[in-house]
Amino acid sequence: AQSVSQHNHHVILSEAASLELGCNYSYGGTVNLFWYVQYPGQHLQLLLKYFSGDPLVKGIKGFEAEFIKSKFSFNLRKPSVQWSDTAEYFCAAASGGYNKLIFGAGTRLAVHP
Amino acid sequence: DTEVTQTPKHLVMGMTNKKSLKCEQHMGHRAMYWYKQKAKKPPELMFVYSYEKLSINESVPSRFSPECPNSSLLNLHLHALQPEDSALYLCASRQDNEQFFGPGTRLTVL
Repeated sequence: AQSVSQHNHHVILSEAASLELGCNYSYGGTVNLFWYVQYPGQHLQLLLKYFSGDPLVKGIKGFEAEFIKSKFSFNLRKPSVQWSDTAEYFCAAASGGYNKLIFGAGTRLAVHP
Repeated sequence: DTEVTQTPKHLVMGMTNKKSLKCEQHMGHRAMYWYKQKAKKPPELMFVYSYEKLSINESVPSRFSPECPNSSLLNLHLHALQPEDSALYLCASRQDNEQFFGPGTRLTVL
């Protein structure tokens, strides 16, 4: 069965610390990968996406992610977090003609000033 | 117009009420989706419409009834809901392989 797993459910960091959130997927065949962010009380926003090509993708707000096919991973990184990065982060994968999105459980990030 | 809009933002209803959620996009996208998101959980797919036809129903109870009157509009009709149906209901539309989400309707069933 297709699935997405996120390693960390809660992460607490101080401002300027580096961030890496893990994501692994279990899919057969071609898969499209995404990271979404949901700020408190706001709707889902796309941070970045990977369809094909360069496995290192850059997104908005200084985030990047690396697709490692051999490890079935798509980890999210940011060199220096800010208090405004406090949010819930969802990794998601999609495949098939209808592009069904399956989300990981989410990682709640709290950044302290 | 590059966004997905949803109305109402908040809805409180009793278990015997009938209500509808509305989703609209004017980006020309031909696939639209309904998701349900419980508190502190990820969104879960409910329905997929492609070219105004229901393509996927993820075994959703019949008290949820989707409708796609035209390519820009997606409705979710609600009837005889249960308190456990309280959640954030998200609509999305798709262009190529990317889905664009609306802000959601926060539904409370009393």
